Amino acid sequence: QKEVEQDPGPLSVPEGAIVSLNCTYSNSAFQYFMWYRQYSRKGPELLMYTYSSGNKEDGRFTAQVDKSSKYISLFIRDSQPSDSATYLCAIRSNSGNEKLTFGTGTRLTIIP
Amino acid sequence: NAGVMQNPRHLVRRRGQEARLRCSPMKGHSHVYWYRQLPEEGLKFMVYLQKENIIDESGMPKERFSAEFPKEGPSILRIQQVVRGDSAAYFCASSPIAADTQYFGPGTRLTVL
Repeated sequence: QKEVEQDPGPLSVPEGAIVSLNCTYSNSAFQYFMWYRQYSRKGPELLMYTYSSGNKEDGRFTAQVDKSSKYISLFIRDSQPSDSATYLCAIRSNSGNEKLTFGTGTRLTIIP
Repeated sequence: NAGVMQNPRHLVRRRGQEARLRCSPMKGHSHVYWYRQLPEEGLKFMVYLQKENIIDESGMPKERFSAEFPKEGPSILRIQQVVRGDSAAYFCASSPIAADTQYFGPGTRLTVL
C-alpha cells in the first residue's frame, strides 16, 4: 500500500464548476499537508499548507483535512481554464523528517 | 527575489555518461531537497542537504548517485554511468529553515539515449 493515494484522473469539468480533489494517507505520523499545482513542464507551485484538521480557505481554494479518516481534500470554486494543471498532494511527518511524500497527482482540465 | 534556479533545464546523455544537475536555492535558503519525477508518477524524495552536510539520503539509489551542497556555489546532483531508467525530471526545492515550506525550481529533464 502506498503511503499516499491520489486518483490520477484525468478529471474534466466545465468552467465555473466546483472541483474536488482528494488524497488518502496511511501513516498517522503525517502532520503537515500541502497542495501543489504543477503546470505542464514546470515545477510544482505551493497552493495551500495546513497542519490541523478542519478547513483553510484562500480565495477560490479551500483545503480540508480530516485526520481521523486520514483524508485530505482541495476544493476549487468558480473554476477557470487557467486552473487546468496537475494537482499534487504532499504530506510530511512531524519535525525531524523533512521529506515530502507526494501523491501521484490528479490531472485537471477546465473546459471553457 | 529570484526563485530556485536549476540548470540545465534539459540534458541529454548517452548510456554510460555522467550527468551533473545544478540547483541554486532561493536567496537566504540554506536547505536543499532533490526529488525525481518519473513519467506518470509523483515526485519521489531523493536527498536533503544543508550547507556542506547531507542530512537525509534515504531516497537516493545506493549506486551511481551522489549529491553535495558546498559552502559556496550551487547544490549538485551527480549521476554516474547513466542508464535509460534514469530518464526523468529532477526537481530541486529549498527552504529557509528545516520543517518549513519547500519552494521548487523548474526542474531538469534528463533524457538518456
